[in-house]
Amino acid sequence: KQEVTQIPAALSVPEGENLVLNCSFTDSAIYNLQWFRQDPGKGLTSLLLIQSSQREQTSGRLNASLDKSSGRSTLYIAASQPGDSATYLCAVFTGANSKLTFGKGITLSVRP
Amino acid sequence: GAVVSQHPSRVICKSGTSVKIECRSLDFQATTMFWYRQFPKQSLMLMATSNEGSKATYEQGVEKDKFLINHASLTLSTLTVTSAHPEDSSFYICSARDRTSGVETQYFGPGTRLLVL
Repeated sequence: KQEVTQIPAALSVPEGENLVLNCSFTDSAIYNLQWFRQDPGKGLTSLLLIQSSQREQTSGRLNASLDKSSGRSTLYIAASQPGDSATYLCAVFTGANSKLTFGKGITLSVRP
Repeated sequence: GAVVSQHPSRVICKSGTSVKIECRSLDFQATTMFWYRQFPKQSLMLMATSNEGSKATYEQGVEKDKFLINHASLTLSTLTVTSAHPEDSSFYICSARDRTSGVETQYFGPGTRLLVL
């Protein structure tokens, strides 16, 4: 059974800091991995999707990497801003059961 | 990108009543849609997989008679919470699978907040 872990559960940083959010998964036989952003009381916004054959994806100040063999992904946020404050969820798509498995998320707070 | 809508966005109902939530894919056809439930500060838990024209597949522990799912068309799936109770209060999120680009992608709706009094 696939399990996705995100540690720590919460993170607070000052504005401008570069930061890394971690995600680990137990079954390396994944098709892809996605990072989502969720604002309080809202749905999910897809940030980056990395296919199993890829090692990283970039979008603006965000960079996501994937090391499938070790079961790890990181989301790098450069020059953090208060508007980046949200919960960041990592999810892996395991083709065997065609399901997305989510981590519990990391709640990020960027202090002005 | 593709858009998935949910209606209503928020609903308050009395205990014992039934509530229907709609999920629509607005610019693509989705043969498969998914229903998730999220409790405060918890992750999304898959409740069921909804396939167009066939019965939904429910995850272990999810009562199919309580959470009725209908996927009557390629752009609409509905979740009906029957005889709702306060413990059913939660945030319900749907997603729709898009395979038209050749890449497996799920697009998520904005969620529906259900409060059962």
